[in-house]
Amino acid sequence: DTAVSQTPKYLVTQMGNDKSIKCEQNLGHDTMYWYKQDSKKFLKIMFSYNNKELIINETVPNRFSPKSPDKAHLNLHINSLELGDSAVYFCASSQTRANSPLHFGNGTRLTVT
Amino acid sequence: AQTVTQSQPEMSVQEAETVTLSCTYDTSESDYYLFWYKQPPSRQMILVIRQEAYKQQNATENRFSVNFQKAAKSFSLKISDSQLGDAAMYFCAYRSDHSGNTGKLIFGQGTTLQVKP
Repeated sequence: DTAVSQTPKYLVTQMGNDKSIKCEQNLGHDTMYWYKQDSKKFLKIMFSYNNKELIINETVPNRFSPKSPDKAHLNLHINSLELGDSAVYFCASSQTRANSPLHFGNGTRLTVT
Repeated sequence: AQTVTQSQPEMSVQEAETVTLSCTYDTSESDYYLFWYKQPPSRQMILVIRQEAYKQQNATENRFSVNFQKAAKSFSLKISDSQLGDAAMYFCAYRSDHSGNTGKLIFGQGTTLQVKP
């Protein structure tokens, strides 16, 4: 199926640990994003990559590091996890042109205990 | 900076009836795109409808239509013949068409829609 897929779907871990979330899209899009949805359901952009180049980095702690090995993949690594990192993280992709909607993965619910 | 506001945290509608969800936005740009996304309890983000700011005609997709008022910076979503499967959180979103744009979507706070049988 053509889609944006992210793994894992659920992630439960303890404070201080390091974890990664993987994302892959097979839609041929050239731009990929990470969004964070907090407990109040508010969606906020974290990062965006266009053709493997970082183009958005929105006031995100340095503990969060995106990596794009190629334009079909955008992974998110989080160091020294904190309680406040608990949220749902969405990967998305689109074409660069503005009328191209974002296609979202199904989200990863991260719970830090 | 652009902002998107959804002033209705929750709405409810009787099955088969019509409901309108409100969205306003603030921008100094003239070229942009507006979207409505649906997020059911499954958490999936689903595109419902999109509108180009340069088009005067309101977009429609089956039972979903928008009322786009550019001067008022208003972009409401009308759901006709509401179905139980329409129950979800609905997000309004803005995307700039400005050259050099990063392509990001700016979301409103969301409106939870309950559909009563």
